[in-house]
Amino acid sequence: EAQVTQNPRYLITVTGKKLTVTCSQNMNHEYMSWYRQDPGLGLRQIYYSMNVEVTDKGDVPEGYKVSRKEKRNFPLILESPSPNQTSLYFCASSFAQGGTYEQYFGPGTRLTVT
Amino acid sequence: AQSVTQLDSQVPVFEEAPVELRCNYSSSVSVYLFWYVQYPNQGLQLLLKYLSGSTLVESINGFEAEFNKSQTSFHLRKPSVHISDTAEYFCAVIADRGSTLGRLYFGRGTQLTVWP
Repeated sequence: EAQVTQNPRYLITVTGKKLTVTCSQNMNHEYMSWYRQDPGLGLRQIYYSMNVEVTDKGDVPEGYKVSRKEKRNFPLILESPSPNQTSLYFCASSFAQGGTYEQYFGPGTRLTVT
Repeated sequence: AQSVTQLDSQVPVFEEAPVELRCNYSSSVSVYLFWYVQYPNQGLQLLLKYLSGSTLVESINGFEAEFNKSQTSFHLRKPSVHISDTAEYFCAVIADRGSTLGRLYFGRGTQLTVWP
């Protein structure tokens, strides 16, 4: 089954404790991205990657890191989480060119930073 | 870059009434347009998309949207809604060329609530 998986689905942590949210896709997509969803603000892009070893900042990258060492994986790293990073996070993937440009979304990770 | 404006943050309607969720976009290049739906406590699902061809596109559950290039709009409509249509709806665009190719830009969402 074609899908994007994220882990964990729910996470409660404390300020300053490093964490990683994993994202994996099995569709051989070149393009992957991370979004955060906050009430009234919709989805805002954090980072995106056009292919392996190619990443770039989205609209709200502060406080986040990413890496793309393999095509299928795109982990989101919070080196020192703060309460303003409490949010719902989505990973997404798609073909980068010549496709339908439809982005497939993971189920979401609800992060609470206390 | 591209931007998307969803003109209504909340749309309450009664069951079986028609509904229109409005979306306008801004872009210096041609775009592809999408509507995504998010049901309560779930992720985002693609509802429908416009890539090229006929400007009227339809989904399998009765929604339709019309691409209007002159008005830079992509409004979502349904002639008769059901309670199960209660969800948040997001309009999104992707440029078809240029440095932002592949980046999806979202509107802030419209919460559709259908009352019995």
